[in-house]
Amino acid sequence: DTEVTQTPKHLVMGMTNKKSLKCEQHMGHRAMYWYKQKAKKPPELMFVYSYEKLSINESVPSRFSPECPNSSLLNLHLHALQPEDSALYLCASSHLGVNSPLHFGNGTRLTVT
Amino acid sequence: SQQGEEDPQALSIQEGENATMNCSYKTSINNLQWYRQNSGRGLVHLILIRSNEREKHSGRLRVTLDTSKKSSSLLITASRAADTASYFCATDGGSTLGRLYFGRGTQLTVWP
Repeated sequence: DTEVTQTPKHLVMGMTNKKSLKCEQHMGHRAMYWYKQKAKKPPELMFVYSYEKLSINESVPSRFSPECPNSSLLNLHLHALQPEDSALYLCASSHLGVNSPLHFGNGTRLTVT
Repeated sequence: SQQGEEDPQALSIQEGENATMNCSYKTSINNLQWYRQNSGRGLVHLILIRSNEREKHSGRLRVTLDTSKKSSSLLITASRAADTASYFCATDGGSTLGRLYFGRGTQLTVWP
């Protein structure tokens, strides 16, 4: 079990659907991250939030919309996705600072049909 | 790309043997980290070595860092079947902004 909780664990959605991925941590971390991981590939950074403000957007298409309502929660809103967006979406959190390791959730396995 | 590159891409050994994985990177770093990922699960942080450190130990793990060669190695001693997983190195590219770049990973299989 991890201290970063992601829901749902699995999600199947059509290309016209709107859905949201949720992430929660209670470790007092002020940095939160979204990563995307395709099969047999490394995780790729999508977004970074610091103190609930978006600090990094790695040129992610606008059909992915992140939101950080408070210091414990991170959402990823999905709209008009493509089949190639099917992947494991991982949330992570950390203390701020260059030598702080990331704590990952177990991810949401997303399939776009 | 600033991502690390692990070598080998796949490693298969017997229980009790040692497993060594290597990582090379291209940029300056503040630290280098190693993570493990079991199939279909999230990543678990194993060890972080700072740029001014050369070697670090944690249980059966030993990590070395050579910043002059921009390379690191992860040694797992006396491996167990439960060590079967993908292992990734990750670097921050010298950034303080929170970016962490993962290498392609090494798939380790430990046979009982």
